[in-house]
Amino acid sequence: KAGVTQTPRYLIKTRGQQVTLSCSPISGHRSVSWYQQTPGQGLQFLFEYFSETQRNKGNFPGRFSGRQFSNSRSEMNVSTLELGDSALYLCASSLASSGRARNEQFFGPGTRLTVL
Amino acid sequence: AQSVTQPDIHITVSEGASLELRCNYSYGATPYLFWYVQSPGQGLQLLLKYFSGDTLVQGIKGFEAEFKRSQSSFNLRKPSVHWSDAAEYFCAVGAGATDSWGKLQFGAGTQVVVTP
Repeated sequence: KAGVTQTPRYLIKTRGQQVTLSCSPISGHRSVSWYQQTPGQGLQFLFEYFSETQRNKGNFPGRFSGRQFSNSRSEMNVSTLELGDSALYLCASSLASSGRARNEQFFGPGTRLTVL
Repeated sequence: AQSVTQPDIHITVSEGASLELRCNYSYGATPYLFWYVQSPGQGLQLLLKYFSGDTLVQGIKGFEAEFKRSQSSFNLRKPSVHWSDAAEYFCAVGAGATDSWGKLQFGAGTQVVVTP
């Protein structure tokens, strides 16, 4: 079974631009979570989607948004990019629909975003 | 507030020696606990998880971890380290509350260096 895939793997943008990152979960997985990883802040939760609805949101500004499609694929969007948005963005998927199993997450390779 | 602490930022171990990585958490109820490993330029790979039951859990790649409720700890161990174990290791906590499903909180990570 294929793992979580993320596209693109690398992106270079300039300040003020916007960017869209894509995540395809493991087949059959319905929950998708997004995380930002930076050397200074570590791994931080952005949001989680399940059944096309955002279920949880981390402490990030409104410039960060996402959505999930009926096939469970997810996208996240960052508008008006800032230098501090440079990070590795990780997507994770989970099989179960409820409770603790939604915490058992399988991660993709990430998208490395560089903002110049 | 929920928190995860990995006291050791960096550990150097000789190949063939044993390894123990520490993780302490702060959470009111029994959390769901995970260890992940990240190689350079890669996403996170799930090593093992603890939900309930037996407090000693076995994972992939010869790793094991022990949940100690009295110490709020979930330490990761490996009896004999291989050079390929050099990577960064993350402890993560998932909460049982409905509004926290799909959201993992990560420790800062421990970088493991393996010497010949």
